[in-house]
Amino acid sequence: EAQVTQNPRYLITVTGKKLTVTCSQNMNHEYMSWYRQDPGLGLRQIYYSMNVEVTDKGDVPEGYKVSRKEKRNFPLILESPSPNQTSLYFCASSPLTGGYEQFFGPGTRLTVL
Amino acid sequence: QKEVEQNSGPLSVPEGAIASLNCTYSDRGSQSFFWYRQYSGKSPELIMSIYSNGDKEDGRFTAQLNKASQYVSLLIRDSQPSDSATYLCAVNSSGGGADGLTFGKGTHLIIQP
Repeated sequence: EAQVTQNPRYLITVTGKKLTVTCSQNMNHEYMSWYRQDPGLGLRQIYYSMNVEVTDKGDVPEGYKVSRKEKRNFPLILESPSPNQTSLYFCASSPLTGGYEQFFGPGTRLTVL
Repeated sequence: QKEVEQNSGPLSVPEGAIASLNCTYSDRGSQSFFWYRQYSGKSPELIMSIYSNGDKEDGRFTAQLNKASQYVSLLIRDSQPSDSATYLCAVNSSGGGADGLTFGKGTHLIIQP
C-alpha cells in the first residue's frame, strides 16, 4: 500500500529532551515536507526537501532540524524542545516538486511539558 | 507573502443540499490548486485538484477555478453527514513549486441531518 508513515503517533516529553520524529514514504517521491498545525494558525511548513541531501527552510524552521540521507526517509529533529513546539505534526510527500499534490502521513501529536 | 484566504465558518448545510466552499489566493502566478478534507485530529486527505479555468467534476464534488479573479471553490452536492469536516484550500507558488503549497486555514463544514 502506497503510504507515508510517521512515528511515534503520540509523544509527551519534557523541555530540553532531544527527540526525533521519523517519516518514511514508499512511493519513491522526490519531495518531502514537514508541517505543524496549530488551532487558528493552520498548516505551516517547517522544512522541505527536493531530493536526497537537499533541504531548505519553510516558514517556521526555528528549533527544528531535518536530514535527507535516503530518498524514502525525512526525520524531524527537535534538539531542545520547548512548550511552544507542542503541536500536531504532519509529514508529506509529493512525486515531483512541492507544487504538485502532496500526500500526508497520519500525524504526530507532540506535547512538550 | 503568499496568502490563501478561506472563511473559517462554521458553515452549516442541511443534509442533501449543496455545500459551497470558497477560497481566494494572492499569488497571481499560481498554477495548481487543491482541496483537502481533514477530519478532526486526522491528516489532510486530497479530494480534488484543478489546474485550468472552469469546472472539474468528480462524483459529488466540483472544483471551480477563476484565475482572473484569483478564486477557487468547491461544491459538494447531495451533502452527507460524513462530509462534515474542515476543508483546506491549497495553492502552489509561482516560483516553480520548490517550497510547496500554501494552505488556507480551512473552512469548518457541518452537515445537519
